[in-house]
Amino acid sequence: EDQVTQSPEALRLQEGESSSLNCSYTVSGLRGLFWYRQDPGKGPEFLFTLYSAGEEKEKERLKATLTKKESFLHITAPKPEDSATYLCAVQQNDMRFGAGTRLTVKP
Amino acid sequence: GAVVSQHPSWVICKSGTSVKIECRSLDFQATTMFWYRQFPKQSLMLMATSNEGSKATYEQGVEKDKFLINHASLTLSTLTVTSAHPEDSSFYICSAVTGLRQPQHFGDGTRLSIL
Repeated sequence: EDQVTQSPEALRLQEGESSSLNCSYTVSGLRGLFWYRQDPGKGPEFLFTLYSAGEEKEKERLKATLTKKESFLHITAPKPEDSATYLCAVQQNDMRFGAGTRLTVKP
Repeated sequence: GAVVSQHPSWVICKSGTSVKIECRSLDFQATTMFWYRQFPKQSLMLMATSNEGSKATYEQGVEKDKFLINHASLTLSTLTVTSAHPEDSSFYICSAVTGLRQPQHFGDGTRLSIL
């Protein structure tokens, strides 16, 4: 069965402490991998799309990378405003979401 | 760009009431819209996929007579929760997409509470 697994489930960082979030998938025939940010009580906000292994995308303190089995969302020198739940989703025939990583950045 | 508006943002109503939620793409035409349900600290659960002018495709276990979806135009889809009961209380989120392999853009969700 196709699966999308995100780890860790929750991550607490100090401001400025860089780290990475993981999204591993077993979908065959990947059409795209998407990263979203979701704040409490809000809908997900689109961050990146990755289509093929080796691809990288960057936006401010965030950088997303993709291999044939997983994607990483690297957060460099995070700030408290980066605190949110980060969701990844993979698309084959439909879109399948992971359970998310709840990131808390302490000042 | 790619703004999706969802209305209302929250609803509290009595058991047995029907509730309609609107989802509009404000600055683009959406080939497809999606409806999700999200429980606290859990991920998005796809309920149905709708294309303009055609019947929605429901996921397994989602009652089509309970959750009525109408996709009247390329910018508007509605979800009606009919005869809502407390177990229907949840956070409902819609999204819209312009084409294959394009990201979904989400509304801000509707928190539904049935008393």
